[in-house]
Amino acid sequence: QKEVEQNSGPLSVPEGAIASLNCTYSDRVSQSFFWYRQYSGKSPELIMSIYSNGDKEDGRFTAQLNKASQYVSLLIRDSQPSDSATYLCAVNMQPGTYKYIFGTGTRLKVLA
Amino acid sequence: DGGITQSPKYLFRKEGQNVTLSCEQNLNHDAMYWYRQDPGQGLRLIYYSQIVNDFQKGDIAEGYSVSREKKESFPLTVTSAQKNPTAFYLCASSRTSGTQETQYFGPGTRLLVL
Repeated sequence: QKEVEQNSGPLSVPEGAIASLNCTYSDRVSQSFFWYRQYSGKSPELIMSIYSNGDKEDGRFTAQLNKASQYVSLLIRDSQPSDSATYLCAVNMQPGTYKYIFGTGTRLKVLA
Repeated sequence: DGGITQSPKYLFRKEGQNVTLSCEQNLNHDAMYWYRQDPGQGLRLIYYSQIVNDFQKGDIAEGYSVSREKKESFPLTVTSAQKNPTAFYLCASSRTSGTQETQYFGPGTRLLVL
């Protein structure tokens, strides 16, 4: 069964620190990877997408992809209390289709 | 102001009742999706539609039905056959249904059983 695994947390970091969120996936043919942020009671909002091995930076966020090891991570630099949310990893495991498998999410708490 | 709207925000269902959740988008996206989210679980795909007048079952379609008569609209009906409907329902859309297409989500509808 195709799976996307995330540590449920909570991951607690002090304000200003780097938060590191990890996601592993089961299918080597996966091609597209997405990170969403979801505040409590709200819908997911896209933070980053990444398709190639290596790092992709956007402001305070960096996505890292390692297809050989089958993991994707999200780093949040200079963490702020407003970053406190659940972060969902989504993976496309069927190339050529729309279908994405979502992890259960990691809850991040940034302590002021 | 482009985006995805869902209504109502909260919906209450009685035993044996069918209810319909609305999803509208003005992003000119071809593909639309319905997901269900339960506490502590990831999003699970109910139905998706790649073009008007066509839709496909997702992983948990039993007890649900959809229609896609217009590009902008993709309503979801939760039928009485769905025995555990309490969940957060999310509608999403993407420009196409390709591999690298980003899905954008509406604000969601929370369904509760009376």
